[in-house]
Amino acid sequence: DTGVSQNPRHKITKRGQNVTFRCDPISEHNRLYWYRQTLGQGPEFLTYFQNEAQLEKSRLLSDRFSAERPKGSFSTLEIQRTEQGDSAMYLCASSSGTSGGIYNEQFFGPGTRLTVL
Amino acid sequence: AQTVTQSQPEMSVQEAETVTLSCTYDTSESDYYLFWYKQPPSRQMILVIRQEAYKQQNATENRFSVNFQKAAKSFSLKISDSQLGDAAMYFCAYRSSPWAGGGADGLTFGKGTHLIIQP
Repeated sequence: DTGVSQNPRHKITKRGQNVTFRCDPISEHNRLYWYRQTLGQGPEFLTYFQNEAQLEKSRLLSDRFSAERPKGSFSTLEIQRTEQGDSAMYLCASSSGTSGGIYNEQFFGPGTRLTVL
Repeated sequence: AQTVTQSQPEMSVQEAETVTLSCTYDTSESDYYLFWYKQPPSRQMILVIRQEAYKQQNATENRFSVNFQKAAKSFSLKISDSQLGDAAMYFCAYRSSPWAGGGADGLTFGKGTHLIIQP
């Protein structure tokens, strides 16, 4: 395992379509994070999982956004009824560590670039 | 909510020279972590250096060092002996203490500084 992987790397869709992105974390990492990065901005935290539990989802941008990590391994981020404003890079990161424990570095994937036409 | 501000959209430095990137942040918390991440063009973000707020000693990693001023809420990154491979976007980021709960694990990023290395 050489790092966090994300698929697809690029996605072009038409407004109103649903899209799903996949993230495969580093295999021994139990925490997984999703961020959105728009042009000229730093990444914006969306949600995170510890194993299969989604511990924070209030930062998801709207109810069109949802994320899952059903078996505590890979995760998917779905955007329903896409809008042009959803065009961005979607980044995934993973880390080891337990709740309340010491910090462990977040390792980022290469991202999925979404273009909504 | 915490905020991170990077006031330098772009910096340029001659190869082998030293450059300092600025970062300020706003928080009411006393325990937190600060980071500098590097994002090369079309490549994934990597951690450059981190600082725990409870540590008074500034972190260093080879040619990279920070100047952490907790009272001033300032966290600058110094890159010594700049190399062509240092060219990238640099992001300053904040993370709450693990005991803060909720979304504390998520990083809050600044807008970034584009670092250009002149050969």
